Amino acid sequence: ETGVTQSPTHLIKTRGQQVTLRCSSQSGHNTVSWYQQALGQGPQFIFQYYREEENGRGNFPPRFSGLQFPNYSSELNVNALELDDSALYLCASSLSLGLNYGYTFGSGTRLTVV
Amino acid sequence: GENVEQHPSTLSVQEGDSAVIKCTYSDSASNYFPWYKQELGKRPQLIIDIRSNVGEKKDQRIAVTLNKTAKHFSLHITETQPEDSAVYFCAAIYSGGGADGLTFGKGTHLIIQP
Repeated sequence: ETGVTQSPTHLIKTRGQQVTLRCSSQSGHNTVSWYQQALGQGPQFIFQYYREEENGRGNFPPRFSGLQFPNYSSELNVNALELDDSALYLCASSLSLGLNYGYTFGSGTRLTVV
Repeated sequence: GENVEQHPSTLSVQEGDSAVIKCTYSDSASNYFPWYKQELGKRPQLIIDIRSNVGEKKDQRIAVTLNKTAKHFSLHITETQPEDSAVYFCAAIYSGGGADGLTFGKGTHLIIQP
């Protein structure tokens, strides 16, 4: 196993609700990034956390927010859910920022908004 | 920002033949190019990567080539086997401690015909 774990695996929410997704990074990894993968598409970068600080953000609105904790686990929060938020949400961890470290993905959380 | 184009979207080859998937990127600052394999319902798994100071890298039946001048990179799979059937994603990033995540292509569905 890769060591990156995500919970829950599946989730169904109603439009307008809020959701929190969780990720435990691989042991020793201090960098966590989140991606949204719509059906049939490549993952899209949401944001990245490095040592508890947001370090970069993709083209997602502010209702997508996150946290990273001292143990480097992370949360993705989405407010005011829309139907188009239905997707697989992937967490990826890396040993640190920089060129020499690859990204390991978790199995994802499948979010369905109805 | 970075933009990654991937072709073809679907590739069907006979078992034992070779498969080639091509990607182009737009940002000349990108310096790390991973390839991920994603089986249905599973996490993207890193299969090979290449950094901008290298033109080619090989790992058993899989190889990746990079042409920095033309800003394109390709995945080559030789002696294809049924277990190679999956969706393959290329990605690019400037991984120098910056604030951007991986930019993915839209994926190639590789089908290995028995």
